[in-house]
Amino acid sequence: GNSVTQMEGPVTLSEEAFLTINCTYTATGYPSLFWYVQYPGEGLQLLLKATKADDKGSNKGFEATYRKETTSFHLEKGSVQVSDSAVYFCALSAYGNKLVFGAGTILRVKS
Amino acid sequence: GAGVSQSPSNKVTEKGKDVELRCDPISGHTALYWYRQSLGQGLEFLIYFQGNSAPDKSGLPSDRFSAERTGGSVSTLTIQRTQQEDSAVYLCASSLVQDNYNEQFFGPGTRLTVL
Repeated sequence: GNSVTQMEGPVTLSEEAFLTINCTYTATGYPSLFWYVQYPGEGLQLLLKATKADDKGSNKGFEATYRKETTSFHLEKGSVQVSDSAVYFCALSAYGNKLVFGAGTILRVKS
Repeated sequence: GAGVSQSPSNKVTEKGKDVELRCDPISGHTALYWYRQSLGQGLEFLIYFQGNSAPDKSGLPSDRFSAERTGGSVSTLTIQRTQQEDSAVYLCASSLVQDNYNEQFFGPGTRLTVL
C-alpha cells in the first residue's frame, strides 16, 4: 500500500540555520505530494505541494522538489526562524484523494 | 471566508458511552474527510464523502464508528460504546472537488478523551 516515511525528530536548530527534513514515499501510480504544518495550538495547514515529477513546491521560504527517481520530497529552508517551530507532516494523495501522512517531525528553533 | 469548523472542541466521556462529533465544511466544497490524530497511530484516514456518491469507509477502525453527511454539507461522526483507545483528536477536512490536486482544508479538530 501507499506509505510515507519522514525523518524522526525532534530537530533542534538555531535561528538562521539551514533546514532539511527528509521524506520518502511508496505509492502506485503518480501521487501528488504535500507538506502540511501544525503550529502549536493550531490546526493543520498546507505548506506546499507538488503534483508531478520534477515540480517544485514553495511557500514562506520553504521548498520541496518531487523526485520520482528517488521517490523523495525533502523539505528545505535556507534560514529558519523561531516562528517556524512546529510539527511538519509529509503526505501523499493517490487514488481518491485520501491523504496518507508521515509520522510528523517536530522542529524547534532556538533564538 | 469561514473555514472548516468542528464542534465540540473538547469532549470528555466515559467508557461505553456514545459520542457525536460535528463538522461544518467550507461552503461549496463537495468533498469531506475525517481523520484521526493519535500519539500511537499518527494521522490516519477514517472516511470521506464526495457529493452524492457512496462514502469511502475503508479507514474506519471498527463497526462502532459511523458517519453521515446530510444535504451534502454538515457531517457527523458517531462513535458508539467508546473505548479508551478511541481517545484522539478527530480532524475534519474539506476540498473543492475530490481529486489528487485540490488542497484539503482542515478544521481545528475535536479532542476526545475517553475515561
